[in-house]
Amino acid sequence: DTGVSQDPRHKITKRGQNVTFRCDPISEHNRLYWYRQTLGQGPEFLTYFQNEAQLEKSRLLSNRFSAERPKGSFSTLEIQRTEQGDSAMYLCASSAPAGGQETQYFGPGTRLLVL
Amino acid sequence: AQKITQTQPGMFVQEKEAVTLDCTYDTSDPSYGLFWYKQPSSGEMIFLIYQGSYDQQNATEGRYSLNFQKARKSANLVISASQLGDSAMYFCAMSALQGSARQLTFGSGTQLTVLP
Repeated sequence: DTGVSQDPRHKITKRGQNVTFRCDPISEHNRLYWYRQTLGQGPEFLTYFQNEAQLEKSRLLSNRFSAERPKGSFSTLEIQRTEQGDSAMYLCASSAPAGGQETQYFGPGTRLLVL
Repeated sequence: AQKITQTQPGMFVQEKEAVTLDCTYDTSDPSYGLFWYKQPSSGEMIFLIYQGSYDQQNATEGRYSLNFQKARKSANLVISASQLGDSAMYFCAMSALQGSARQLTFGSGTQLTVLP
């Protein structure tokens, strides 16, 4: 399967712990996005990479969040000192430049529960 | 700023009938794209259909069509011949250039239930 993959699919952690999620994009896609989705809402943009460069960060991305894409392939999203409000689905998407019709393809997401 | 509004939290449709899911949008960007995604209970967002702001014709993809009315700023999704497997959450989204990224702005979604 050559779609976007994410690991782990589920994560339960205690408040104050650090967690790290991984995203593997579609291999020929140089653009990678992270979104957060809380219950009953649509996803919200967190951050964007073009190749290895992090070019955009949302104000939602507090200083406890850090994302990397070291070789322009897979990406990691780390949350330090987790809080209960971080409980959400974290979605990764990838795309290739296509002018206006740049379709983002999503992975299955990582569901985080902070106790 | 971009905004997507989906006013139908839930919709029911009988199997084999057609259903329309509403979406209105707001943007000051003259160049934008409109997308519909399907999210089953498993959580994955599945791309369904795309409409560009300059496209003259409404987009179609199999049983999905997008009723694009630019003057009204609406981009409704029409699903024909509904199937039980169409039961899912449906999100309308808009892509517009914000900084260097074509971020997607999503609506709050419509939960579609197909009845046998």
